[in-house]
Amino acid sequence: DQQVKQNSPSLSVQEGRISILNCDYTNSMFDYFLWYKKYPAEGPTFLISISSIKDKNEDGRFTVFLNKSAKHLSLHIVPSQPGDSAVYFCAASGSGGSNYKLTFGKGTLLTVNP
Amino acid sequence: DTGVSQDPRHKITKRGQNVTFRCDPISEHNRLYWYRQTLGQGPEFLTYFQNEAQLEKSRLLSDRFSAERPKGSFSTLEIQRTEQGDSAMYLCASSLAGPGPSSPLHFGNGTRLTVT
Repeated sequence: DQQVKQNSPSLSVQEGRISILNCDYTNSMFDYFLWYKKYPAEGPTFLISISSIKDKNEDGRFTVFLNKSAKHLSLHIVPSQPGDSAVYFCAASGSGGSNYKLTFGKGTLLTVNP
Repeated sequence: DTGVSQDPRHKITKRGQNVTFRCDPISEHNRLYWYRQTLGQGPEFLTYFQNEAQLEKSRLLSDRFSAERPKGSFSTLEIQRTEQGDSAMYLCASSLAGPGPSSPLHFGNGTRLTVT
């Protein structure tokens, strides 16, 4: 039962253009969402997060949008740079007693071409 | 902030042997987590500690797995009688609390286990 789904295994964009990575979730108890970036042979690195009380959070070139009614979130990277090439994981956690555990999607490999 | 440190980075072992991994969290973090990642999958939760107390274990953590966090500092993950299906990347993470808006998980670079 995949509670967090990243349906695109890979995405390729040109340098300078926008990258949009998508994530869907099924568990309505999730109320905190994160994006992690992972380079080969390294652990995931926290990128940006959003609480369910918001619909947008921005940090520099990275913006996360949350659509609770659709149970969908997306990560926008503008402008994309070759150094952004990595696997991006969407993750979610619940509130209260289940707030300790992150549930991850399978990841999307982003390739930014110079 | 020296980050989360894991040792060893790689471990190759024969089926049936025992292995132990170590994790040193960020010093002020009181929560410590173990996750496992296999090829093509995202990290999967195994267990977590608040200080020295192990508060939750996933059903992925069979009886052959044991984790400790003595004195609420570093943690060890031991796998007894390893099986080929245990081959994976074992990730450790720490956080102040949460995870929540002010306390995301910070991951180490993992220990890659290969069971032959």
